[in-house]
Parts: sequence; structure tokens; C-alpha cells
Amino acid sequence: ILNVEQSPQSLHVQEGDSTNFTCSFPSSNFYALHWYRWETAKSPEALFVMTLNGDEKKKGRISATLNTKEGYSYLYIKGSQPEDSATYLCAYYNQGGKLIFGQGTELSVKP
Amino acid sequence: KAGVTQTPRYLIKTRGQQVTLSCSPISGHRSVSWYQQTPGQGLQFLFEYFSETQRNKGNFPGRFSGRQFSNSRSEMNVSTLELGDSALYLCASSSSGGLETQYFGPGTRLLVL
Repeated sequence: ILNVEQSPQSLHVQEGDSTNFTCSFPSSNFYALHWYRWETAKSPEALFVMTLNGDEKKKGRISATLNTKEGYSYLYIKGSQPEDSATYLCAYYNQGGKLIFGQGTELSVKP
Repeated sequence: KAGVTQTPRYLIKTRGQQVTLSCSPISGHRSVSWYQQTPGQGLQFLFEYFSETQRNKGNFPGRFSGRQFSNSRSEMNVSTLELGDSALYLCASSSSGGLETQYFGPGTRLLVL
């Protein structure tokens, strides 16, 4: 059974705090790891697609790393802002051709 | 480029009825995937269509079916609706599938009474 786990489930931080989330996935038959940001009442928005072990990607204040051998990815947000409040989803794509999502980490940033 | 569109946005049905949802992908995208989102389960993969062929299927009963047309537009059908089918149904498109960024539509919220 394929299982993607995200932790923590929710996080409350103050504006300016830096934060990070974890996504754990099966390390076998790995093809890609996706990160999405999902704001309430909007569509999930793609952040990164990562395929290679050791990949590091950055988009503004958000960055992500990937370890395919041990099956985890970290998402970092530097200097959180209220507009960063959203649910952050990771999804694992394997050779079976299915994109399997984690339950998400709900981030709330207070001004 | 226009984004992914889904119609209708909201739908209320009763148990036993059937429903058809529509998804128009971004122009040029050939892969369309469908997902069900419920509060307790998160985003669950239903199926993926590529060039009019179902390429992958999730663990859903046969009441859930879909198709894709030659212009890449996709429809999802749920027959004999059950209360548990109440959910947000999202579709996502990409050029070729899961190795690439998926672009999501706004979703169709289905309520089964």
C-alpha cells in the first residue's frame, strides 16, 4: 500500500517566523515528488516538481529539498507572511502512474 | 493561456441519480486527471486520461467512469449516487502526466442528498 505522510498536520506561526514541513513517501519505484499550495476557495497551485535525489528548488521565500533514498522531502518557508497561510500538499508519483497525495499541512500565519 | 475550467461548479443530486462533470484542460495539454477530495480522505486519485485513453485508475468502484474527447476535454460520470459521493471533484491537466506540473481547475462541489 502506497502511503504519503505529511507532518505536522497543522502549524500556527507568527509573521516573520521561518518554518518547515516534512513529506515522507515510499522510496521504491520513485519518479517524482510534487509540492502544491492550496488556499481556501482556490485551486491547488503547483510549487515544485522534483525528480532527482538531492534536488533543491527555490521559489521566492519557499524552498524544498528531496531525498529519494530515504523517502522524504522538506518544504521551507523563510520569514512567513500572512499570505503564506494555506494547506501545503505533497504528492508522490511512482512507476505505477498514479499521483498519491498526502493529507497536507495546514499553515496559519498570524500578523 | 486560459486555465483549467470545470463545470458545473456546484451540484445537488439525490441518492440513486447519476451525474456528469466536465473538465476543459489548458490548451495543448493532453493529460487530464480527476481527484476526489473529502474532509477525512484528502485528495484521492480517480483516473487519468491521455489522448482519449484511460492510462491509470485509482481504487474507486465501477460507478465512477470517465472519458476524454479528441480535443482533450474530459468528462467524469458517477452513476447510482451514494451519500458518500458528496465531495469536491478536481481535475488537473498537464502536457504528458505525473512527471510534470499538474494545473488544477476550481473543482465541482457535489452534494448528494
